Amino acid sequence: NAGVTQTPKFRVLKTGQSMTLLCAQDMNHEYMYWYRQDPGMGLRLIHYSVGEGTTAKGEVPDGYNVSRLKKQNFLLGLESAAPSQTSVYFCASSEQGGNSPLHFGNGTRLTVT
Amino acid sequence: GQSLEQPSEVTAVEGAIVQINCTYQTSGFYGLSWYQQHDGGAPTFLSYNALDGLEETGRFSSFLSRSDSYGYLLLQELQMKDSASYFCAVRRSGNTPLVFGKGTRLSVIA
Repeated sequence: NAGVTQTPKFRVLKTGQSMTLLCAQDMNHEYMYWYRQDPGMGLRLIHYSVGEGTTAKGEVPDGYNVSRLKKQNFLLGLESAAPSQTSVYFCASSEQGGNSPLHFGNGTRLTVT
Repeated sequence: GQSLEQPSEVTAVEGAIVQINCTYQTSGFYGLSWYQQHDGGAPTFLSYNALDGLEETGRFSSFLSRSDSYGYLLLQELQMKDSASYFCAVRRSGNTPLVFGKGTRLSVIA
């Protein structure tokens, strides 16, 4: 039981390049989330999904897109990376909303030069 | 919107007790959660309070007062391994996502 797995762990991009961050969970959770974490800013929600085929915007969605084609996978895309997107990205999942705790992946450290 | 306030840093002595406060403003409230994150690691769930009062889990306790929009995390018998960042988080309703505070960095010293 791997929990939540994120790939890659590290990535360096040049401004304007694109990439996709992958998140997979094996707990059959309905809800999945993408957060970014910057020093002193806590965890800020980018996008989330309440079930297969659904997505919704969070606090800081600009510059990102997501897809949830399969229940176990939640993809985060950067179409044209900018230095402001340098951050640590965490994927999380939860069984449902309500009081279901979030289970986090180990994060992807992205640097955009 | 939602906003959460918690101290940015707290330092405490090994073996002591420390309290990390969290005040929140939110339109709608569906519980206060706490998460722990060690440097370089992922956040992990600690506790959840939906109703007023104290919830205890081993050395950790969490308190909620909905009328005061306030909660705290209490860590007893501090150990060096408790040095980490602690985040409070709230949901506006049952099917909306968690919004996190900026975190409190706890340093436990000998």
